Amino acid sequence: DGGITQSPKYLFRKEGQNVTLSCEQNLNHDAMYWYRQDPGQGLRLIYYSQIVNDFQKGDIAEGYSVSREKKESFPLTVTSAQKNPTAFYLCASSGTSSGVSGNTIYFGEGSWLTVV
Amino acid sequence: GQSLEQPSEVTAVEGAIVQINCTYQTSGFYGLSWYQQHDGGAPTFLSYNALDGLEETGRFSSFLSRSDSYGYLLLQELQMKDSASYFCAVKKSYNTDKLIFGTGTRLQVFP
Repeated sequence: DGGITQSPKYLFRKEGQNVTLSCEQNLNHDAMYWYRQDPGQGLRLIYYSQIVNDFQKGDIAEGYSVSREKKESFPLTVTSAQKNPTAFYLCASSGTSSGVSGNTIYFGEGSWLTVV
Repeated sequence: GQSLEQPSEVTAVEGAIVQINCTYQTSGFYGLSWYQQHDGGAPTFLSYNALDGLEETGRFSSFLSRSDSYGYLLLQELQMKDSASYFCAVKKSYNTDKLIFGTGTRLQVFP
């Protein structure tokens, strides 16, 4: 079945460590996104990519990095520069948008990151 | 700045109708979407309005008034499984699906 796979589901990080969250999609979507969600809050965009080898900062990119070497993959690295990384991280993808018609965004099941 | 405002919580009983409002103030608007998220799960798409008016999909309907920067999600014949958080989201750019999300409305449905 087509979908978005995130791993790991749960991750614990020690302060000062970098960690990488995996996101793979087999929907043949061009665009991929990373969102952060804090408890009881909405989703905030970290990074997005519309095409391979290109990505753009979202609203809260500081302390995060991404790569898009393959269409199917968009890993997110949470660096030690991110001072408050404990959150729920959601990866998403969509087909190429065509103006006002819009496209559905599909989300993965999320990854819980906790700093210990 | 940019903001999307939703009520934080709504409660209702099974079989009832509930309306969740969303007012937005964003630099750029190309449509309003609604997503449902159960606790600990992924958001799932419910509806999308690019133009003014009502869109109906089964028990759920969504309305948009661009002149009022306002939209709502209407849920009819409520079921227990509808208990979840509901987010409105604005598509800000013409050629991407990058969304700005509201803080969400938690709906609790009681028997």
